[in-house]
Amino acid sequence: AQKITQTQPGMFVQEKEAVTLDCTYDTSDPSYGLFWYKQPSSGEMIFLIYQGSYDQQNATEGRYSLNFQKARKSANLVISASQLGDSAMYFCAMREGVAGNNRKLIWGLGTSLAVNP
Amino acid sequence: DTGVSQDPRHKITKRGQNVTFRCDPISEHNRLYWYRQTLGQGPEFLTYFQNEAQLEKSRLLSDRFSAERPKGSFSTLEIQRTEQGDSAMYLCASSGRSGISGNTIYFGEGSWLTVV
Repeated sequence: AQKITQTQPGMFVQEKEAVTLDCTYDTSDPSYGLFWYKQPSSGEMIFLIYQGSYDQQNATEGRYSLNFQKARKSANLVISASQLGDSAMYFCAMREGVAGNNRKLIWGLGTSLAVNP
Repeated sequence: DTGVSQDPRHKITKRGQNVTFRCDPISEHNRLYWYRQTLGQGPEFLTYFQNEAQLEKSRLLSDRFSAERPKGSFSTLEIQRTEQGDSAMYLCASSGRSGISGNTIYFGEGSWLTVV
């Protein structure tokens, strides 16, 4: 059964340092997509980065990069040069199937990140 | 603002009352999703529309819940005879047909429901 596991309930990082948030997934579908979202205390779910199962290179978006290790079924989010505004809840999510057949996302429980000044 | 918008942002209602939430997706997006999120949990899928067709509905969606997208644009989620267990944030999301737009699912700011 499809599943997303985020094993870190909470993480702390010093401002300007890098931090890695862990995510492992389980699926039997060879085609899938992996997403990371940021949810600040206001509640909005903000899209950060996407990685497709057939993408050859790891996805990057500004200070965010996704360390995609397909054989290990892991999709860790790396945030470089942390800022105070990065303090939020971070969710890893997975969609099975190709993008043209967009369906529901399966979500992890999230990791709460606190950036210390 | 061209993002996903939801209304109202906050709703407090008495148990047994009906509530309706509205979602306006990104204009060129044909796919629309509703999720529910309770404190300390990730979002749970409720339902999914492609254009005006409701293609998937979670078993979480009891008979008291109904969603519509009559013209393939905005959507409404109605909860009848609300119960305290319905207290949650209701998130709407949309995505496009293919490519980058198809891979990216954008969420609105959510509608907080408190049933007292």
